[in-house]
Amino acid sequence: AQKVTQAQTEISVVEKEDVTLDCVYETRDTTYYLFWYKQPPSGELVFLIRRNSFDEQNEISGRYSWNFQKSTSSFNFTITASQVVDSAVYFCALRAIIQGAQKLVFGQGTRLTINP
Amino acid sequence: DVKVTQSSRYLVKRTGEKVFLECVQDMDHENMFWYRQDPGLGLRLIYFSYDVKMKEKGDIPEGYSVSREKKERFSLILESASTNQTSMYLCASRPTGSTSNQPQHFGDGTRLSIL
Repeated sequence: AQKVTQAQTEISVVEKEDVTLDCVYETRDTTYYLFWYKQPPSGELVFLIRRNSFDEQNEISGRYSWNFQKSTSSFNFTITASQVVDSAVYFCALRAIIQGAQKLVFGQGTRLTINP
Repeated sequence: DVKVTQSSRYLVKRTGEKVFLECVQDMDHENMFWYRQDPGLGLRLIYFSYDVKMKEKGDIPEGYSVSREKKERFSLILESASTNQTSMYLCASRPTGSTSNQPQHFGDGTRLSIL
């Protein structure tokens, strides 16, 4: 099965705390891509990062970092020194081949609230 | 920057009406997608299209149809709207070919209420 699980439905932290959003995936493909999207209250999904299955290097972009571990099929997202503007719903997604077509399979989303 | 534009942010329709949701992208992308987003379920793919006049069913196509007469425009049609189609609808586009690992770019979404 091609599946993405974000076990944390909602997370609430105080500003400046670090927070990690978990993402676990299942796939039969040997080549695949993983994505994180942010959906602020305005509604649009904003692309954050893409990672292919051959590149297990962790990535850091400012206060954002991603930890990709094939051994545990996880692609976790950490926000360091969180800010109120980080409040949003975050989606992890897997690009997979399903019935011969490339499709994005999304997790259920994690609603992150950063309190001042 | 890629721009995906959905014609309405909010829409209220009545049960049994035929509803059209329009999506336009300005980057000449071959692939376009329609999703619906419901709490606790994430995004689910309704239909997608690889090119003009082409369409493929996604995971939940029942009650919907689509039209892709021009490359830049992908329309989602609710043939006879029902209350269980009240949802947030998101359109996305992506190039194909050598850039197939590119992310999908999303519109702002249409929040549709069926009364």
